[in-house]
Amino acid sequence: EIVLTQSPGTLSLSPGERATLSCRASQTISDSHIAWYQQKPGQAPRLLMYGASNRATGIPDRFSGSGSGTDFTLTISRLEPEDFAVYYCQQCGTSLWTFGQGTKVEIK
Amino acid sequence: QVQLVQSGAEVKKPGASVRVSCKASGYTFTGYSIHWVRQAPGQGLEWMGWISPNNGDTKYAQKFQGWITMTRDTSISTAYMELSRLTSDDTAVYYCAREREIRGYSFAYWYFDLWGRGTLVTVSS
Repeated sequence: EIVLTQSPGTLSLSPGERATLSCRASQTISDSHIAWYQQKPGQAPRLLMYGASNRATGIPDRFSGSGSGTDFTLTISRLEPEDFAVYYCQQCGTSLWTFGQGTKVEIK
Repeated sequence: QVQLVQSGAEVKKPGASVRVSCKASGYTFTGYSIHWVRQAPGQGLEWMGWISPNNGDTKYAQKFQGWITMTRDTSISTAYMELSRLTSDDTAVYYCAREREIRGYSFAYWYFDLWGRGTLVTVSS
């Protein structure tokens, strides 16, 4: 089973600041297999990125993704008030899927 | 409207089983695999497995093998997840999600593009 480790666990930032979230895999995976989700309290997760760097429909361009091999990054260039939430990376491989444990982006 | 509608909250006693349903509408049910993901209170997302509504094939996370069963009824576009021998550790919100696959000449992407609103299952004596 591929384990995804996200860091940091919590990111305390102010609106307008840049957020950099990391997702590290326990073994090399294709960037095609990485997705990122945003979850707000009481809501289902929402797809942000797929294929590591492709924004989902309706996702603003302040969100970007990158990475390859075992290290992947989600960047929010300038935090808006609605961006404070929990973010999860996800991978799929050989029909088995896993999520990272999440990074909470909170208002400083 | 494209959506996944899940069944309502459940309260179960330890040792019991629970079945959660996920009804698809607005798209061809048999065209997309359905996954189940759970989230314990204050915790992260845990992938449980998937079912292909087309042929009924399933794949479960190793943790759940032996006590989870996913089924579907194509006549009513509904997927089911049944978990047996419940313990308090199974108290969680259970989500169904649609898998989307995009393939091109040199690439293929997989992700969950549609989620149900979740079903709270509480296990308590």
